[in-house]
Amino acid sequence: EADIYQTPRYLVIGTGKKITLECSQTMGHDKMYWYQQDPGMELHLIHYSYGVNSTEKGDLSSESTVSRIRTEHFPLTLESARPSHTSQYLCASSESKGARYTGELFFGEGSRLTVL
Amino acid sequence: DQQVKQNSPSLSVQEGRISILNCDYTNSMFDYFLWYKKYPAEGPTFLISISSIKDKNEDGRFTVFLNKSAKHLSLHIVPSQPGDSAVYFCAASVNSGSARQLTFGSGTQLTVLP
Repeated sequence: EADIYQTPRYLVIGTGKKITLECSQTMGHDKMYWYQQDPGMELHLIHYSYGVNSTEKGDLSSESTVSRIRTEHFPLTLESARPSHTSQYLCASSESKGARYTGELFFGEGSRLTVL
Repeated sequence: DQQVKQNSPSLSVQEGRISILNCDYTNSMFDYFLWYKKYPAEGPTFLISISSIKDKNEDGRFTVFLNKSAKHLSLHIVPSQPGDSAVYFCAASVNSGSARQLTFGSGTQLTVLP
């Protein structure tokens, strides 16, 4: 069973507020990811990190930012939330396994953000 | 342009019958395919995978078939159970240097009727 945790699970905030979605994993995985997903749509990669002090933007443009100061922690921050940021945010991690590496991701339970 | 497509947004089957979920892809460089299952308000969980060097992989009630020439894969669930009701995402990966990244389809909502 994967050990990756996201908080908060649900968040309702007003426009203009700063929010941070927390993600932690206890598996020692070097790679971590943030996906955004809306109902009936595919998961879109918005940020990823292949190790400490390494972060990259994903395929979907996002106004959020991330940091990776510790291996186990990968928080996502929105400086000024807007209604268009309303979505489910999924954190995931994976481990390189050399030739056996398949890209399998372990997901957290998600953070459902609603911006009013 | 979606590289992984799940053209059926929903599927309903009777308990005990077979569920077949389909997925098409366009990128011939994909060499590993995965299925994830997602319940509402939860994160996706890995279900089953298949390498491009195989055409079938089976795990209990779940079997994935890969047709490379048609760039098509399918997930078969036999027999279907009400607890299988969830959204199923197809994903594909390609080795892009130092890591692999997954490309997801838009999901199929499976409803198994008791």
